[in-house]
Amino acid sequence: DTAVSQTPKYLVTQMGNDKSIKCEQNLGHDTMYWYKQDSKKFLKIMFSYNNKELIINETVPNRFSPKSPDKAHLNLHINSLELGDSAVYFCASSVQTRGPGLFPDTQYFGPGTRLTVL
Amino acid sequence: QKEVEQNSGPLSVPEGAIASLNCTYSDRVSQSFFWYRQYSGKSPELIMSIYSNGDKEDGRFTAQLNKASQYVSLLIRDSQPSDSATYLCAVKRAFGNEKLTFGTGTRLTIIP
Repeated sequence: DTAVSQTPKYLVTQMGNDKSIKCEQNLGHDTMYWYKQDSKKFLKIMFSYNNKELIINETVPNRFSPKSPDKAHLNLHINSLELGDSAVYFCASSVQTRGPGLFPDTQYFGPGTRLTVL
Repeated sequence: QKEVEQNSGPLSVPEGAIASLNCTYSDRVSQSFFWYRQYSGKSPELIMSIYSNGDKEDGRFTAQLNKASQYVSLLIRDSQPSDSATYLCAVKRAFGNEKLTFGTGTRLTIIP
């Protein structure tokens, strides 16, 4: 299946732990994103990478560190987890160039990772 | 003032009627406008994009954009129970590597 996939789907952990979320897309896109959706359903951009280069870095605590080993993968590592980090984290991807079957500017979202910090 | 504002609802519409969802944005240089649908516990799914003033129709959905008024709306004709979801308005300053700014969403319920 062509899609944006994330692992794990659920993550329950204790305060102070370090955890990672992985994202992969096989849509041939060149840009990937991390979003955080809080309990009030507000969806906010955190980071964006284009061809492995960081292009958007919103005001996010430096406990959050994204990493893009290649343009199909974007991971998010979170150090010293806090209660306020509990949220659903969505990965998304898009393409910036036009071409057959490619729709620039459209972001496709992964299924989300529900992080609960206890 | 929030960058993208939507009425959080809930908006209740009888089945078969027209559902009207509204969104205003504060950044005058915004160029790209999107409507995403999000079912409970699921990820956002793009249903419409619009870039020019006027109306854009796709099946039962019509997006309307008025850049002078900084207003974008989504009409859903012949509403179905399956349309019950949260609708997120999203705005982008330009094409390319600009961030997508979302509103808080409007929860729509279609009453059978």
